[in-house]
Amino acid sequence: QLQLQESGPGLVKPSETLSLTCTVSGDSITNNRYFWGWIRQPPGKGLEWIGTIYSGGNTSYNASLKSRVTMSLDTSRNQFSLNLTFVTAADTAVYYCARDSYSIPATNVWGQGTLVTVSS
Amino acid sequence: DIQMTQSPSSLSASVGDRVTITCRASQSINNYLNWYQQKPRKAPKLLIYAASSLQSGVPSRFSGSGSGTDFTLTISSLQPEDFATYYCQQSYSMSWTFGQGTTVDIK
Repeated sequence: QLQLQESGPGLVKPSETLSLTCTVSGDSITNNRYFWGWIRQPPGKGLEWIGTIYSGGNTSYNASLKSRVTMSLDTSRNQFSLNLTFVTAADTAVYYCARDSYSIPATNVWGQGTLVTVSS
Repeated sequence: DIQMTQSPSSLSASVGDRVTITCRASQSINNYLNWYQQKPRKAPKLLIYAASSLQSGVPSRFSGSGSGTDFTLTISSLQPEDFATYYCQQSYSMSWTFGQGTTVDIK
């Protein structure tokens, strides 16, 4: 059964870099039927798509975050990661990693989410 | 980026009611429209993909329709477990976007 688990610091200081990892079990991140993404949700607010990374390593990012976002794959550990630089309080959110599908162009598997707070 | 606008932002309904939520895209997205349900402190759950295809395991009281720029999610007979927030999402462009959400609560 496919499972995604986010991990990383729950507290990040302003102007620093937020780094999260998503560990995938039950499938390989190199499976070219799928691609992998990050979505976030500020407390009490709606969902915001951050970006997607494809099995070959290509990426697509939200235009509003593009200058600060980097996603990467670690195929040896079956993980993918998110880096968001120069964070502010506005980046405080629950961050979800997720699996997207070419056959169903939607996000059909989600991690449980991890809260990241930006505060000094 | 393609903007997604849902209406209403919230609604109150009773068990057994028929509920309709609409989603409008700022440009044509063909049928690349998905619907999710989210309950408090839980990850979203995919209900409908490609505008009208029911995700496996989702009750048949949920249905979706539309194409181009205008889409609808319908719950034919609201059940207690359906009180939640619903989001539309476009997957037409390389940069996906969500609507702002519609909260369905108990009247």
